[in-house]
Amino acid sequence: DGGITQSPKYLFRKEGQNVTLSCEQNLNHDAMYWYRQDPGQGLRLIYYSQIVNDFQKGDIAEGYSVSREKKESFPLTVTSAQKNPTAFYLCASNRGGAYQETQYFGPGTRLLVL
Amino acid sequence: GQNIDQPTEMTATEGAIVQINCTYQTSGFNGLFWYQQHAGEAPTFLSYNVLDGLEEKGRFSSFLSRSKGYSYLLLKELQMKDSASYLCAVISSNTGKLIFGQGTTLQVKP
Repeated sequence: DGGITQSPKYLFRKEGQNVTLSCEQNLNHDAMYWYRQDPGQGLRLIYYSQIVNDFQKGDIAEGYSVSREKKESFPLTVTSAQKNPTAFYLCASNRGGAYQETQYFGPGTRLLVL
Repeated sequence: GQNIDQPTEMTATEGAIVQINCTYQTSGFNGLFWYQQHAGEAPTFLSYNVLDGLEEKGRFSSFLSRSKGYSYLLLKELQMKDSASYLCAVISSNTGKLIFGQGTTLQVKP
């Protein structure tokens, strides 16, 4: 089945630790996105990538980093510089470019700080 | 600035009709999406409007007025499983990014 997978479902981070959230899609989509969702707030864009080996900062990129070495994969690293990382993280993808179409979301990763 | 407003919470009765409103102010407009999100799950696509008017899809309909910066999602014959958050999101034609409102949590009661 085609879709987007995220792992793990839950992730615990210790103080000063970097953690990486996985996002994989087999939809042959060019564009991929990372959002953060906090209670009572809308989704906020962290990073996005329109094509392999290229990515741009979203609205809240500080304390995060990404890579896009393969079309299928767009991992997000939450660094120790992100002082308030507890949130629900959603990865999404679509064809991007001139296509005005919905983004397809993965099941999400909930990150908790120990 | 960019701003999307939705009511925070709404309550409705099973079998009834509910209308969830969304107003937006964005730098350019290239379409508006509605998503449904159950607690702890991913948002799922409900509708897309780019031209003025009403789009109907089964029990769900979505309306857009670009001149008023206004949209609504209409849910008919409410079912208990419709209890969820409903997210309004606008594509900014200037940036190409999807901008989300904070979501409306709908509780359907028997």
